[in-house]
Amino acid sequence: QLQLQESGPGLVKPSETLSLTCTVSGGSISTSTYYWGWIRQPPGKGLEWIGSIYYSGSTYYNPSLKSRVTISVDTSRTQFSLKLSSVTAADTAVYYCASHRTSYSSFDYWGQGTLLTVSS
Amino acid sequence: EIVMTQSPATLSVSPGERATLSCRASQSVSSNLAWYQQKPGQAPRLLIYGASTRATGIPARFSGSGSGTEFTLTISSLQSEDFAVYYCQQYNNWPLYTFGQGTKLEIK
Repeated sequence: QLQLQESGPGLVKPSETLSLTCTVSGGSISTSTYYWGWIRQPPGKGLEWIGSIYYSGSTYYNPSLKSRVTISVDTSRTQFSLKLSSVTAADTAVYYCASHRTSYSSFDYWGQGTLLTVSS
Repeated sequence: EIVMTQSPATLSVSPGERATLSCRASQSVSSNLAWYQQKPGQAPRLLIYGASTRATGIPARFSGSGSGTEFTLTISSLQSEDFAVYYCQQYNNWPLYTFGQGTKLEIK
């Protein structure tokens, strides 16, 4: 079964760009079977979908974050990445990567999450 | 944007009893609704998709029902490991997935 693992810096300064990577194992990232997504959860709060990418490179973003978000896929390294620009303290959250089988489906596999803190 | 509203925010139930959690959508999501369980320090785990289909490995004591705008997650006989936070998520309004704010299920 799929396994997903997030990696990132842990701490980012305000106004900088957040960069996170999700490494996929147990299956191919270059498959039409899955979409690859990012979800975040501020401390003590609920879940927010950030966006998703298809293996072809087609991207889909939450309109509330669209102006600051870029999701990309590197099929040669079985990774997909998230960049979020101009971060503020409100972007402090646990960031999860996850998979969903179609454009209309639930998230079936999740990474364990990585805490990203925005602070000077 | 479809707003998902869960109730109650906190539910206190004794082990062995039944728990009923609700999720309401601001407009119809058909049966495109999922339920997740999240324990402290862990990622959410998919329990139910398609409003009523259990995900792989999910015990039969978990059941989902509803369609349109009203949904229910029922846990028939609570086990100690079931006390957690539960989220609903609609995936009908692609490409904008939204989650409910969560229901915390605590031991009474």
